[in-house]
Amino acid sequence: NAGVTQTPKFRILKIGQSMTLQCAQDMNHNYMYWYRQDPGMGLKLIYYSVGAGITDKGEVPNGYNVSRSTTEDFPLRLELAAPSQTSVYFCATQTAVRTEAFFGQGTRLTVV
Amino acid sequence: AQKVTQAQTEISVVEKEDVTLDCVYETRDTTYYLFWYKQPPSGELVFLIRRNSFDEQNEISGRYSWNFQKSTSSFNFTITASQVVDSAVYFCALSEARGDSNYQLIWGAGTKLIIKP
Repeated sequence: NAGVTQTPKFRILKIGQSMTLQCAQDMNHNYMYWYRQDPGMGLKLIYYSVGAGITDKGEVPNGYNVSRSTTEDFPLRLELAAPSQTSVYFCATQTAVRTEAFFGQGTRLTVV
Repeated sequence: AQKVTQAQTEISVVEKEDVTLDCVYETRDTTYYLFWYKQPPSGELVFLIRRNSFDEQNEISGRYSWNFQKSTSSFNFTITASQVVDSAVYFCALSEARGDSNYQLIWGAGTKLIIKP
């Protein structure tokens, strides 16, 4: 089983460019999350989804968009990248919020 | 409001010493779940343990042990005879069954543990 797969692993963007971070899971979990982790800091929730077709904002949603058309995929879109979005992005899944979270390997994004 | 506090930003000990990482939480819910995750220098996040609010038994897994005390709203993590491989950032997290944030984990800021050889 692949678990939670994030692509790409690394990316350098120029200011103003856009990109999509991909997250795919094969565990049939309903709950999916996008977090960002700035250097030396903890996790901040960007967006989450409790099932296909349902998404909601987390703590730091500005500058990002998500969609959840299938159970498996939860892409995170960055529009007009800014240096403040330089961070490591983690996708996570859970069967329910009370259960163990499974994380992808992370995407290290640098905006220059 | 729901909150998880890990007051120790960084701890540094010499190998073989015991070390305790503190986690204090706030919740209005009577049913909740507490977690510890490890983030080694390689960057991935690894689940360590889950505890529900009705189970106050302490847990031991090898050199790791967890002390859950509802009276002080704490869920502390102790590593006995620490090893260099224990060096990592450790996160404590809370989820509630019926609270305002019942779809989200509430994360502490993490404690960076450095084990010196």
